[in-house]
Amino acid sequence: DAGVTQSPTHLIKTRGQQVTLRCSPKSGHDTVSWYQQALGQGPQFIFQYYEEEERQRGNFPDRFSGHQFPNYSSELNVNALLLGDSALYLCASIIFGTQQPYGYTFGSGTRLTVV
Amino acid sequence: QKEVEQDPGPLSVPEGAIVSLNCTYSNSAFQYFMWYRQYSRKGPELLMYTYSSGNKEDGRFTAQVDKSSKYIPLFIRDSQPSDSATYLCAMSANAGNNRKLIWGLGTSLAVNP
Repeated sequence: DAGVTQSPTHLIKTRGQQVTLRCSPKSGHDTVSWYQQALGQGPQFIFQYYEEEERQRGNFPDRFSGHQFPNYSSELNVNALLLGDSALYLCASIIFGTQQPYGYTFGSGTRLTVV
Repeated sequence: QKEVEQDPGPLSVPEGAIVSLNCTYSNSAFQYFMWYRQYSRKGPELLMYTYSSGNKEDGRFTAQVDKSSKYIPLFIRDSQPSDSATYLCAMSANAGNNRKLIWGLGTSLAVNP
């Protein structure tokens, strides 16, 4: 049973560039959340997607956008990269309607470095 | 004041020690409490969860919930080098589809053989 798969594992970008990160949820999961984890910090909620729509959003600027595909996979796009965007980006999946908040499965993340 | 606070560490203990990891919160709306373990260069993995006051035990791990003090410690008995990781507490005010997890900064633990 495949867990959450994220790609790429590592990425180096230059300030001002755009980046796309990808996530395949755990088999059977239809809802994807994205988190940003800066070094030495806890994860910060970016947004959640279900049925190809953004359902919830954290306190992140519009430079952060996402998409969910019919197969439930998801992309996170960040435009006009800033040095402060350097972080581990985590994808977590769950079955929509699961009552337990502890039902999330996390991927290993994409390490983004902005130089 | 952050909603969820943890001592950042690093915490270094000898193998076999009892480890106490602290987590406090300020929002009394939080009802669901989780501890995650995160190894270097990996995503968080769920270690324990609870939604009721009192103790919950799972092998060498015990999580306590004290809602009156807003205090959620995690205890590790007979610590092992494989326990070396960052421990994150997370919590949520809601169940269902309006939940999002609020996280502490994490406590880095090193268990020395």
